Amino acid sequence: ETGVTQSPTHLIKTRGQQVTLRCSSQSGHNTVSWYQQALGQGPQFIFQYYREEENGRGNFPPRFSGLQFPNYSSELNVNALELDDSALYLCASSGGTEETQYFGPGTRLLVL
Amino acid sequence: RKEVEQDPGPFNVPEGATVAFNCTYSNSASQSFFWYRQDCRKEPKLLMSVYSSGNEDGRFTAQLNRASQYISLLIRDSKLSDSATYLCVVNTGSARQLTFGSGTQLTVLP
Repeated sequence: ETGVTQSPTHLIKTRGQQVTLRCSSQSGHNTVSWYQQALGQGPQFIFQYYREEENGRGNFPPRFSGLQFPNYSSELNVNALELDDSALYLCASSGGTEETQYFGPGTRLLVL
Repeated sequence: RKEVEQDPGPFNVPEGATVAFNCTYSNSASQSFFWYRQDCRKEPKLLMSVYSSGNEDGRFTAQLNRASQYISLLIRDSKLSDSATYLCVVNTGSARQLTFGSGTQLTVLP
């Protein structure tokens, strides 16, 4: 096990609603990255947080936003949900001298 | 053109077979390279990093050709437990942003 946890594991929302997903990073890691994985595709980078600041962003609209807390846990918020937001949302933690990113089990979001 | 391209497969091979996966990347500034494995409905897990000199981990061998921007993974003596999707991953930039290919699905048959 990687020590990275995510909640909830599954979520069903309707179009236009807002959602918050949570991630606890592995002990000693100060960087959290979020990815969206649509069915049949590889994960797509959303953004990364390092020491509570956004440190890189992929090609996602502003309705995707995030936070990182002093304990390095993180939230992903998505406003005005669209059907295409249905996906597996993965967070990955990394930090220190280690480059490897360790993924949590993901949150499976279904937007109806 | 996708930044990281892989043959989607599926690859269906018998136990004991040798199978090779290929991947190309478009950004010549890419700095680090990996193969991740993803089981059905699970998170990706690091299989191995890929170095320019080539590296081996048991039955798995990874190669990187920077000039051709090409990465490969060779699996020897395939086991049923090797059945999974194999993701080619490139790290570009200081943000440790991982760019994934779409994955190659492998099924090892008894």
